[in-house]
Amino acid sequence: QKEVEQNSGPLSVPEGAIASLNCTYSDRGSQSFFWYRQYSGKSPELIMFIYSNGDKEDGRFTAQLNKASQYVSLLIRDSQPSDSATYLCAVNIPRAAGNKLTFGGGTRVLVKP
Amino acid sequence: DTAVSQTPKYLVTQMGNDKSIKCEQNLGHDTMYWYKQDSKKFLKIMFSYNNKELIINETVPNRFSPKSPDKAHLNLHINSLELGDSAVYFCASSTRSRGYEQYFGPGTRLTVT
Repeated sequence: QKEVEQNSGPLSVPEGAIASLNCTYSDRGSQSFFWYRQYSGKSPELIMFIYSNGDKEDGRFTAQLNKASQYVSLLIRDSQPSDSATYLCAVNIPRAAGNKLTFGGGTRVLVKP
Repeated sequence: DTAVSQTPKYLVTQMGNDKSIKCEQNLGHDTMYWYKQDSKKFLKIMFSYNNKELIINETVPNRFSPKSPDKAHLNLHINSLELGDSAVYFCASSTRSRGYEQYFGPGTRLTVT
């Protein structure tokens, strides 16, 4: 089982709709959870982070965390063509040697006008 | 006023050569990282330095040697380059006070021929 799993997509979403992305993780010691957006040929860009169970909203983005079920999700409301990118879920697992982010394989999102 | 910068952006070289990639951050962060993103877009950590001390060293061939002259710089030297080393290498930085959110540089696309 991979440490962090995401559906690779592509997730095709009509413009204006809600895009829902899911991520599951295997280590119950995971404490911090991050969503990165990566446009083709560019570097990952941090868009959301969440540490506590529940929802966290930032503009059109909402991150949801459920530690008991070991999943974290990202909702993109009012999806725009500019949201078309690969979204990477990352999990921070504290280790004695230092913090390490483990990334999922990413979900490619395609917003169609 | 770039936050995390890398040089060079592109690197094309032949098998067997030795090359270096440089990274600098002006965010005042205390931890820096090297990641490798392969052709399948999977992002995997290679090394992490905290205050010039190596704290994470994943299973990476010893042809790869990181070096951190100070907190703001992290370089990656690769000896005897192989075809399989072709990838995009990202530098990132973070700080404990911001929950280990990592900020990425623009990447170095390495092509070994």
